[in-house]
Amino acid sequence: DQQVKQNSPSLSVQEGRISILNCDYTNSMFDYFLWYKKYPAEGPTFLISISSIKDKNEDGRFTVFLNKSAKHLSLHIVPSQPGDSAVYFCAANHPKGGGANNLFFGTGTRLTVIP
Amino acid sequence: DARVTQTPRDKVTEMGQEVTMRCQPILGHNTVFWYRQTMMQGLELLAYFRNRAPLDDSGMPKDRFSAEMPDATLATLKIQPSEPRDSAVYFCASGRTGVVGEQFFGPGTRLTVL
Repeated sequence: DQQVKQNSPSLSVQEGRISILNCDYTNSMFDYFLWYKKYPAEGPTFLISISSIKDKNEDGRFTVFLNKSAKHLSLHIVPSQPGDSAVYFCAANHPKGGGANNLFFGTGTRLTVIP
Repeated sequence: DARVTQTPRDKVTEMGQEVTMRCQPILGHNTVFWYRQTMMQGLELLAYFRNRAPLDDSGMPKDRFSAEMPDATLATLKIQPSEPRDSAVYFCASGRTGVVGEQFFGPGTRLTVL
């Protein structure tokens, strides 16, 4: 059973516009949320994160919003650039295992930024 | 430039053969994770280790998969016997306890079982 869901498998956006990627989760025990970016033939790389005690975190063109009551988070990319074209994975951390990080990943959203 | 390395990058094998995938975590990292990427499940956790001890391998089919860390610089994932449904990309990641959510991924091993 998927505890982290990305319901949009793909998204296309014009260069310069905003990209909004969405993620929903079911487990209220998750304490940290992350976005990873993946290019073809490479492993995912960390992009941005947010603690469950916050509702927004911004890093340059990337902002993550968290709505705990709705169990929803989103990643905003403004302005979108062709180099942002990749698969984006949402992940949630469960605080178990004596401190070992235990991430649950969504199925990913493929973002295509059209020049 | 510290990074996680995985070998082989690509593996094609026939059903029933043994497959071994290797991972070298980043020096100083004490947690290692194995994931499988499929279209339907996304990144699926198979097993993870802390300080070389297995903490959770509940995501792994026990009858054919096994994961070990013979030493701090090597993690292995074995499939015996392999089946066509095992075809996927397998990622290894490493991190440090106490650094929430930090996982650095290797480039993956693309496995094709014919």
